[in-house]
Amino acid sequence: ILNVEQSPQSLHVQEGDSTNFTCSFPSSNFYALHWYRWETAKSPEALFVMTLNGDEKKKGRISATLNTKEGYSYLYIKGSQPEDSATYLCAPGGDSWGKLQFGAGTQVVVTP
Amino acid sequence: NAGVTQTPKFQVLKTGQSMTLQCAQDMNHEYMSWYRQDPGMGLRLIHYSVGAGITDQGEVPNGYNVSRSTTEDFPLRLLSAAPSQTSVYFCASSYGQKQYFGPGTRLTVT
Repeated sequence: ILNVEQSPQSLHVQEGDSTNFTCSFPSSNFYALHWYRWETAKSPEALFVMTLNGDEKKKGRISATLNTKEGYSYLYIKGSQPEDSATYLCAPGGDSWGKLQFGAGTQVVVTP
Repeated sequence: NAGVTQTPKFQVLKTGQSMTLQCAQDMNHEYMSWYRQDPGMGLRLIHYSVGAGITDQGEVPNGYNVSRSTTEDFPLRLLSAAPSQTSVYFCASSYGQKQYFGPGTRLTVT
């Protein structure tokens, strides 16, 4: 069982502000790092799958970076909007099948 | 495509009862998995399968059984429900690394 930590546990952001948060994971035996977005009363949806050290992914106003040597990933939201309110989960994947271990998530609340 | 479907959406059981949570996918994905979601703990892997006839345990398998007789279906069985199994259960299937989640089943054990 991997030790996956996400911080902070929750954060409140004003509409228009940018924010970022962290996922930490063991750097040994790294295969891939996933980010999922989970809106209340819905199912988690994949945002990014990152495999290479230094990888950067972007989807609209959301982007992520990966450092496999030190075992962390940052997720950034630029110009937050109320529709960005969700819990963001990270999960290191241990094999090619996508066997994942999820962190507890960072809950983001964007207020108008 | 319906994607990943789960039934039922809600279920209330008494302690000691058994039941099966159904999961089906129509995307021909080989990999399927079951997670439970509890407050403050994220998603924890219960069981997974890499193809028909092959299953393995995840992080929290005790009290649950699975089987995979077809590519499409991956049911989760609770043999003797306990209050500690009160949770929201998600089934997922994956193509390559990306996982697709079902809508979830909210289970309460009294």
